[in-house]
Amino acid sequence: DADVTQTPRNRITKTGKRIMLECSQTKGHDRMYWYRQDPGLGLRLIYYSFDVKDINKGEISDGYSVSRQAQAKFSLSLESAIPNQTALYFCATSAGQRNSPLHFGNGTRLTVT
Amino acid sequence: GESVGLHLPTLSVQEGDNSIINCAYSNSASDYFIWYKQESGKGPQFIIDIRSNMDKRQGQRVTVLLNKTVKHLSLQIAATQPGDSAVYFCAETFSSNTGKLIFGQGTTLQVKP
Repeated sequence: DADVTQTPRNRITKTGKRIMLECSQTKGHDRMYWYRQDPGLGLRLIYYSFDVKDINKGEISDGYSVSRQAQAKFSLSLESAIPNQTALYFCATSAGQRNSPLHFGNGTRLTVT
Repeated sequence: GESVGLHLPTLSVQEGDNSIINCAYSNSASDYFIWYKQESGKGPQFIIDIRSNMDKRQGQRVTVLLNKTVKHLSLQIAATQPGDSAVYFCAETFSSNTGKLIFGQGTTLQVKP
């Protein structure tokens, strides 16, 4: 979905490095999410935010932090990357209405060596 | 715990045939279900959704069926085309209005010419 842009698309880093993944959206949605995708495990929620002042942990938030700098921007940080954080990371947005589908970006493939 | 599962990891169909992708969920409190399509190198793309007060919903070439009695969801694709080849995910939410979707592991649809 071109309305949700993730940068970088690919990143290789070393264990212990700090990494930031960026997400920006032009959909005007209030809600933004970070998911990680691993083979055989599907998509799992890391963090989500309903507005600029709101940050919530998902099911696998340990080792991650987020920042909602503006309505359109939501970044994910790995303070000290470890190899089991190697995965495909997706940012998503949704409108504020009940039962609104998520709209995903094209992902960032992160490899931690 | 809650889980959303797809019955088959891979489904192979002939071009022009109809495809049926199945999904089972375990939480009877789930009230909103979504089907996503994910092509290689891209993020999940919204296909169709259905609320728990409905049994069937139709889109363009796709139909979603919901059987709450047996907690089963299916996606039917009519006249399957090569462009339908992708991984298909079902997702549910039972924490209404939070967007915290629970995803299944995905079924790979292969369309043979």
